[in-house]
Amino acid sequence: GQQLNQSPQSMFIQEGEDVSMNCTSSSIFNTWLWYKQEPGEGPVLLIALYKAGELTSNGRLTAQFGITRKDSFLNISASIPSDVGIYFCAGRIQGAQKLVFGQGTRLTINP
Amino acid sequence: DTGVSQDPRHKITKRGQNVTFRCDPISEHNRLYWYRQTLGQGPEFLTYFQNEAQLEKSRLLSDRFSAERPKGSFSTLEIQRTEQGDSAMYLCASSHGGNRGFVAFFGQGTRLTVV
Repeated sequence: GQQLNQSPQSMFIQEGEDVSMNCTSSSIFNTWLWYKQEPGEGPVLLIALYKAGELTSNGRLTAQFGITRKDSFLNISASIPSDVGIYFCAGRIQGAQKLVFGQGTRLTINP
Repeated sequence: DTGVSQDPRHKITKRGQNVTFRCDPISEHNRLYWYRQTLGQGPEFLTYFQNEAQLEKSRLLSDRFSAERPKGSFSTLEIQRTEQGDSAMYLCASSHGGNRGFVAFFGQGTRLTVV
């Protein structure tokens, strides 16, 4: 089945640093979504991307839908303590209703 | 609060018992999904409803699992004869129809522990 490879698996950064994470796949996706999950909670939608090349921002977050439709990245600028959590990419192939998730990137911020 | 609501938030059960979880989607959403998430992994798709019709089921959904959405509103997920391997977070999500109807909004999940 389709798989998403998300990297890095974990990041340890200083407050104020910028963060970059990405997802790649061998399959072509029609939609890319980025979620954030905190312990004991469900994933919360951050950004949705709908077409190749699309670049979308949500505050300090910026995400792009890769031109090949097989990858996406998420950047967080000027990280703050509340950015701590696990970030998941999720993709949908054409004709499917389900989302396929990456393994997550765990973000830890040192004050 | 008009988000996706799941009940209970936590459930501890003995192996072999049956459990049932409930999901109330966002009211105007006609699509409802169940996912399962184990520790350190991303959510994995279990099943999908459009209105009351169950349109897709994953191979992960063994015959001990059954999901319903009788009136196209809330949904239930039942696990019969629970096993320790069923321990996981069970997530419900909903979305509306249309070109961007697959953008799913998740509930807070039900954490199941089978002892």
